[in-house]
Amino acid sequence: AQKITQTQPGMFVQEKEAVTLDCTYDTSDPSYGLFWYKQPSSGEMIFLIYQGSYDQQNATEGRYSLNFQKARKSANLVISASQLGDSAMYFCAMREVSSGGYQKVTFGTGTKLQVIP
Amino acid sequence: DTEVTQTPKHLVMGMTNKKSLKCEQHMGHRAMYWYKQKAKKPPELMFVYSYEKLSINESVPSRFSPECPNSSLLNLHLHALQPEDSALYLCASSRGTGTVRATNEKLFFGSGTQLSVL
Repeated sequence: AQKITQTQPGMFVQEKEAVTLDCTYDTSDPSYGLFWYKQPSSGEMIFLIYQGSYDQQNATEGRYSLNFQKARKSANLVISASQLGDSAMYFCAMREVSSGGYQKVTFGTGTKLQVIP
Repeated sequence: DTEVTQTPKHLVMGMTNKKSLKCEQHMGHRAMYWYKQKAKKPPELMFVYSYEKLSINESVPSRFSPECPNSSLLNLHLHALQPEDSALYLCASSRGTGTVRATNEKLFFGSGTQLSVL
């Protein structure tokens, strides 16, 4: 069963505008963590932001914020004031405990963001 | 030092070759991971090492053989690969082990090895 769902294969945004990338997840574990990673064409995975399942407030990291709606099981990434360098693939990921008791991080299918000058 | 270093960056090998991918981190992390990423797909977990012990093997074929010689190094030995094994192989590390329910432990990734099997 799909654990992390990103329904937007591709998105366009005008430079300096804000954009929201969608992510929904499925887990029965009350303790989990949600991450967003950026992967430019060069291939490296860059950590952007983290949200814990028990966190009371939405996470923010500079221009990145996470719109966490626990009841709806969604963790959307908001990028404010888009820059050309934001063009990349964005992955939502979830950390949870595997059946063997060890933690796993599972990635969604990704959203390719293109920033238009 | 907050880097995970992977070598080589690119590798081309034949189906009968034996090669190894290397990964190194000096952040004191005790969990290390191998992910495989096909083009335009998300990374897929292959192996997890916790305290130099293999803790997760996601049913990976035996032609991939991981090794963790010490807490800073992680190798992936390749033998008799198939063309469909061509992919980006990403190494990652995180601070703790899987048994600690510290779900905020982010993964630090290396820049990957782009593998082509001919």
